[in-house]
Amino acid sequence: GDSVTQMEGPVTLSEEAFLTINCTYTATGYPSLFWYVQYPGEGLQLLLKATKADDKGSNKGFEATYRKETTSFHLEKGSVQVSDSAVYFCALSPETSGSRLTFGEGTQLTVNP
Amino acid sequence: GAVVSQHPSRVICKSGTSVKIECRSLDFQATTMFWYRQFPKQSLMLMATSNEGSKATYEQGVEKDKFLINHASLTLSTLTVTSAHPEDSSFYICSARGWSYTDTQYFGPGTRLTVL
Repeated sequence: GDSVTQMEGPVTLSEEAFLTINCTYTATGYPSLFWYVQYPGEGLQLLLKATKADDKGSNKGFEATYRKETTSFHLEKGSVQVSDSAVYFCALSPETSGSRLTFGEGTQLTVNP
Repeated sequence: GAVVSQHPSRVICKSGTSVKIECRSLDFQATTMFWYRQFPKQSLMLMATSNEGSKATYEQGVEKDKFLINHASLTLSTLTVTSAHPEDSSFYICSARGWSYTDTQYFGPGTRLTVL
């Protein structure tokens, strides 16, 4: 079945450091790929998405590129801020099942001043 | 973006009682709502998908008689945990989507259920 694998956390960085959170997936066809962010005590928010191969999703300085050849959708940010501290979830929606989401395990990011 | 609310945010109940959780889309019509369960430091697991006016579709392994889902209007879905037990303690999250299956899912803030 479909699955999403994220790099193990937690991840701790200093402010202005470069961030990469790896995400790989297993799915048939061409799923849509997403990154969601969950701030403490809040629900999930869509951070960015990509719906086809080689698409790049971007938002708030975060980027991720849909790589079909490596079945990956790694999240990157050039310079993190303390306010980026949150849990990040990679997810996919299979092309044939509407918008059902399969989530990765989540990666806790802590950014220190 | 669109706003989805959940009520209550936290609930503590005794074993054997039933608990109802509400999920509302505040500024859009949600033809489809999803219910997830999140265990501590784990990912979200889809429990069921509900379409307005029809019966919910449950994921494999989810007891439909225990987790009753009602989606009676385009802005409200409810999840009732019947005869709750301590193992039902979890964080329950709903999401809502508009008319098109390509629409973004908007998530509620979640409900922390503790069964004593």
